[in-house]
Amino acid sequence: DAKTTQPPSMDCAEGRAANLPCNHSTISGNEYVYWYRQIHSQGPQYIIHGLKNNETNEMASLIITEDRKSSTLILPHATLRDTAVYYCIVGTNAGKSTFGDGTTLTVKP
Amino acid sequence: GAVVSQHPSRVICKSGTSVKIECRSLDFQATTMFWYRQFPKQSLMLMATSNEGSKATYEQGVEKDKFLINHASLTLSTLTVTSAHPEDSSFYICSARVAGAFETQYFGPGTRLLVL
Repeated sequence: DAKTTQPPSMDCAEGRAANLPCNHSTISGNEYVYWYRQIHSQGPQYIIHGLKNNETNEMASLIITEDRKSSTLILPHATLRDTAVYYCIVGTNAGKSTFGDGTTLTVKP
Repeated sequence: GAVVSQHPSRVICKSGTSVKIECRSLDFQATTMFWYRQFPKQSLMLMATSNEGSKATYEQGVEKDKFLINHASLTLSTLTVTSAHPEDSSFYICSARVAGAFETQYFGPGTRLLVL
């Protein structure tokens, strides 16, 4: 499964959009991009996934570049409760994909 | 979304004893469950993949005789840490995969194990 690269930390002002980037330059054609987040001392929470097209749900939007080598998770109006570690994972089998170090997003008032 | 529970949420045990952690999918059937371990300030590390009705597949470096996994039904998998030692103290998290096109995982809330 492809590995991912994410910035270790980001800050965002409350109410503003949070844009979290992820590089996955070795992604294969049949591998999905998954995003999860983990709030302190809790299990990870599924956010969104995509293959080629951009996706949107009630939590976030996922923008995948045309060459699929990178993606961006967008939280349109970040709140303090969005402070968490965000993991970008790629793979055909989400269970076998490796969790990297993720991005620690801190939403500030 | 799908709900996964874990029990207990916290456990403290003496060195040398065994601890069993349960992982249940509450509103769906999970043919595959995964067990992860997470040390403080580190990412999740996959320990094993548990398929209903068959033996678990362990990741390299994970002792199968120490971390016993049983997946007896489509809604329950158990992880037993045998002869626990202080270095086994960690946050153990399970996830369950909903069979289908996207194979999304849903995670339990985690179990914090402290071995004294």
